Amino acid sequence: QVQLQESGPGLVKPSETLSLTCTVSGGSFSGYYWSWIRQPPGKGLEWIGYIYYSASTNYNPSLKSRVTISADTSKNQFSLKLSSVTATDTAVYYCARGSMSSAYLYYWGQGTLVTVST
Amino acid sequence: EIVLTQSPGTLSLSPGERATLSCRASQSVGGSYLAWYQQKPGQAPRLLIYDASSRSTGIPDRFSGRGSGTDFTLTISGVEPEDFAVYYCQHYGTSPPYTFGQGTKLEIK
Repeated sequence: QVQLQESGPGLVKPSETLSLTCTVSGGSFSGYYWSWIRQPPGKGLEWIGYIYYSASTNYNPSLKSRVTISADTSKNQFSLKLSSVTATDTAVYYCARGSMSSAYLYYWGQGTLVTVST
Repeated sequence: EIVLTQSPGTLSLSPGERATLSCRASQSVGGSYLAWYQQKPGQAPRLLIYDASSRSTGIPDRFSGRGSGTDFTLTISGVEPEDFAVYYCQHYGTSPPYTFGQGTKLEIK
């Protein structure tokens, strides 16, 4: 059974960089689409981006200048960095896995709330 | 960027009734790369349908999806108490960003 678990600080100060890691267990890491999605409190889902085959990335243009997604296959982990955060980046952040050929979101982590505040 | 518009915003039904949720795209979704997710309060979304009409593993057959191009539908043939939740559509495939619809809340009437 594939499981994903997000980890990282729950509180980030404005203008700093939000950093989250998703640890994958119970399945192969290579060859899948690995994505990040976020959901502001009480609002809908926003796609952040994905990494595929540990190197090919695609980001939401609305966040592209601030986002980096990377992977460490030796640790079965992939990571999200979002720079210059503001209060509008406060959200539950989810990591998710797609299939080998498509980026739909089959397995999800439980999500982690990140609050941007002083 | 493909904009997905879901309707209605809220759907009020009684258990056993048929639910029809709509997702309309601002431009054609290539390859019918359209998914539906269910989200309950405090939980991560769950994949119901992918490729517009393929049920994900373990999803009951009362859930069905259809559509192509710009018009897609999720149907629940007889709503069960555990189906009351928020439903999102998402496109994926050839034209990132892979946007979500704004959601339809299925509530008990």
